[in-house]
Formats: sequence, structure tokens, C-alpha cells
Amino acid sequence: GAGVSQTPSNKVTEKGKYVELRCDPISGHTALYWYRQSLGQGPEFLIYFQGTGAADDSGLPNDRFFAVRPEGSVSTLKIQRTERGDSAVYLCASSTGLVNNEQFFGPGTRLTVL
Amino acid sequence: AQSVTQPDIHITVSEGASLELRCNYSYGATPYLFWYVQSPGQGLQLLLKYFSGDTLVQGIKGFEAEFKRSQSSFNLRKPSVHWSDAAEYFCAVAPQGSASKIIFGSGTRLSIRP
Repeated sequence: GAGVSQTPSNKVTEKGKYVELRCDPISGHTALYWYRQSLGQGPEFLIYFQGTGAADDSGLPNDRFFAVRPEGSVSTLKIQRTERGDSAVYLCASSTGLVNNEQFFGPGTRLTVL
Repeated sequence: AQSVTQPDIHITVSEGASLELRCNYSYGATPYLFWYVQSPGQGLQLLLKYFSGDTLVQGIKGFEAEFKRSQSSFNLRKPSVHWSDAAEYFCAVAPQGSASKIIFGSGTRLSIRP
């Protein structure tokens, strides 16, 4: 079946602009996760949804970052007033939501802020 | 604070040679432990995980890892590497009882010498 998909695969924007990154999880997966991977680093947890609600958003770096999952499926990560330091690969993962189930990762969106 | 240390940034081994990638963690209690692999253009893939029980865990692609509580380590091993094993490897932890918020190490890049 289809895996986790993310669009766009690449996004170039200018400092100060607003961007939206989309994640389509595996069908039927109730849990969805966002991570950020900076160059030469491991992924860094941002936020985790169980259904429509954010179960843990402790990894969001500041209030410029926001994520939604209105219908419990597709999720959008929104970044306002982008800064050059936001440049990274943003990864999405999904799981069945059962305790301790494996997270399946998408290919990521590479965001470049000029 | 919870952390994961992968002391080797880059390792090169000859094809057919054995491999050991090191991982140490700092955590209040025994966490859940993972190894992921990330190949160019591919998403993160789970190689293996340790939750409890037998401290030697088997994973996919012929990999295994051993949890050593006394050393706070979870090293990854493979008896004979193949050229296709060239990739970035990440060790990761999550709190016991919840594999949702995963903390990743900074990764070890594995190169294979023909």
C-alpha cells in the first residue's frame, strides 16, 4: 500500500514569508508526527497528533510554528515569518496509534529559507 | 535531560567485514531503544527496537543490537556488510511506555569500501 507522502518535496522561500508543508499519512493510521532534521543532525521531534488533537507539541520551537490535523488524516505544518534558521528537512511519520507501534516515515520536505 | 550519543560521525568498512556502530544514551530510566537507517532519497526505516526482555535483539537486513544497561549502550552490529548498507544510521530513545516522542542521535554515516 501507499506509504506516508509529503508535499512539496522541496520548498524555497524568502525570509519573512509564510509556508505550509503537507503530510498524508498511511491510510488508517491515527497517530501522526512531525520532526525537523537539520543538516548533519538527527531528526528532532516537533509535535504528535492522536486523531485530530495535538497530544504533545512540546517540540515546537516557538509560536511561529503551528500544525493542524482537522479531520484526523492529512496534517499541515505552518511556519510564519520564516527565518534562515528554519531551513531543514521536515519529516512526517504515522503509526497505528496503538501503544508502542512503529512510526513509518515519509521522504520529507526540504525547506530552504533565503 | 535525555540524550543519545553516537560518537562516530563517519565510519568506513570493507565489504564483507563486520560492523559495529556505537550508541550511548542518558536517561532517567531504561528507555525504549531504536536503530533507524536513512538512505539517500529514502525515508527513515526502522531496523530494530528494544522494549524489554532479551537484551540481544534481531532486526531486518541481518542487523542486531545488544542492550547493556551497565554501560547505557545499545550498539548495532552486522557480521558482514554489503555495499547496499552504505547509509546514515541513527540510534534513538523514547520513554518507557510511549514510543511517541522519539529522541534521535546525530547519526553515523557508513561508507563501504569495495
